[in-house]
Order: sequence, then structure tokens, then C-alpha cells
Amino acid sequence: SAVISQKPSRDICQRGTSLTIQCQVDSQVTMMFWYRQQPGQSLTLIATANQGSEATYESGFVIDKFPISRPNLTFSTLTVSNMSPEDSSIYLCSVGGGYEQYFGPGTRLTVT
Amino acid sequence: TQLLEQSPQFLSIQEGENLTVYCNSSSVFSSLQWYRQEPGEGPVLLVTVVTGGEVKKLKRLTFQFGDARKDSSLHITAAQPGDTGLYLCAGTTSNSGYALNFGKGTSLLVTP
Repeated sequence: SAVISQKPSRDICQRGTSLTIQCQVDSQVTMMFWYRQQPGQSLTLIATANQGSEATYESGFVIDKFPISRPNLTFSTLTVSNMSPEDSSIYLCSVGGGYEQYFGPGTRLTVT
Repeated sequence: TQLLEQSPQFLSIQEGENLTVYCNSSSVFSSLQWYRQEPGEGPVLLVTVVTGGEVKKLKRLTFQFGDARKDSSLHITAAQPGDTGLYLCAGTTSNSGYALNFGKGTSLLVTP
């Protein structure tokens, strides 16, 4: 399984600002995914980010709000733009090897 | 739309008891995974099942995939305090590719 790190691990941000979350993997992977986990809830897929192509967003998530970069096979970023308190969540990246996915530790975001 | 329904949502038992967590859907899944998540961490993959009727064992944990690939169960024998955590089922469908649809999770507390 891959070792995945995320930065920052947590942050407190003001309404209207943006935060970029980094996801680094210790091996080259084609498929990366970004999820949101709201307080006390399960995981919801935001987008699929495959290297060499534009990210594919799930219903309810748009590129202007959650722009994603995938510059190479070991790295990706997710930006949460123009934040509101409703964006307070844990954001997780994962990498896929076939059906199995492995998750990073998450970034806990609080918007005040 | 929640494709996967997990039950129970919460479970509090004493050390040594057995328990079963259920994951049900009206959709057919290409694969189904079980994860365990502890506070402040990302989900950790426990098992992947892909064949209808498949049974997998991981020490005291037994996982079963339904014959029609629409449901799954996780059985824990002689639960220990270290089993405490949030158990999540997640699956892939023919429409989702390798992106995971998560259930809402079962929060398990095992007390000594």
C-alpha cells in the first residue's frame, strides 16, 4: 500500500479566504481522489484527479469552488475557494490501485 | 443519494461480545470494501470483496459479500477495546468506475 501525506493537517481560516491542501504519495499512482467528510458524517467524493487529464467532479461540486491540480504522478492539490462555515470538514485524498483505495490522514478545516 | 445503507449506526458493547454490521443496497456492486477509521485519521482498508458469496477472514473479523453483490456484512468475534472505531463500507459500481460510494458508517465502542 502507498504512504500518503497531507499538508496542512489542520487549519482555521476566515470566511471568504481560500486554502490549498497538498497530497503527496510515496509512489507513482495514476488515480487520485479527493473526499470530504463533514462532522460526524461519512465520506463524499468531490472529484477524481488522474494525471494528464482534467479532474472529474461529482454532482454538487464545481471546479470554481474546488480547483484541483495534478502536475505529476505523486502529487495533487485541492483548493477550497471563497470559504464559508459550511466548508468546515475533513478533506481527504486517496490513491487507487484497482478497486482498493488508500487514504491520507486528512486535513481538518475550520472556517470561522 | 445514499447507495449503501449501514446498520446499526451506533453500537456499544462489552469486551468479549460478538457483533455484526450490515451494509445493504438495491444496487449491484463490482466490489465492496470495508474500512476502519479512528479519530483524526484517514480510513484504513480492512478488506476488498469482489465475488458474490465471497467470505474473507481477518483474524477475528469475518467479511461476507452477498450472492447478488448487493449487500455485505462484517462480523467481529470476541470484540476488544482496540476494535473501537468507525466502520465504513464502500463500493464501486459499473457506473462509478473506481470511485467509491460510502455508507454512513457504524460507530463501534467496545468497553473493557
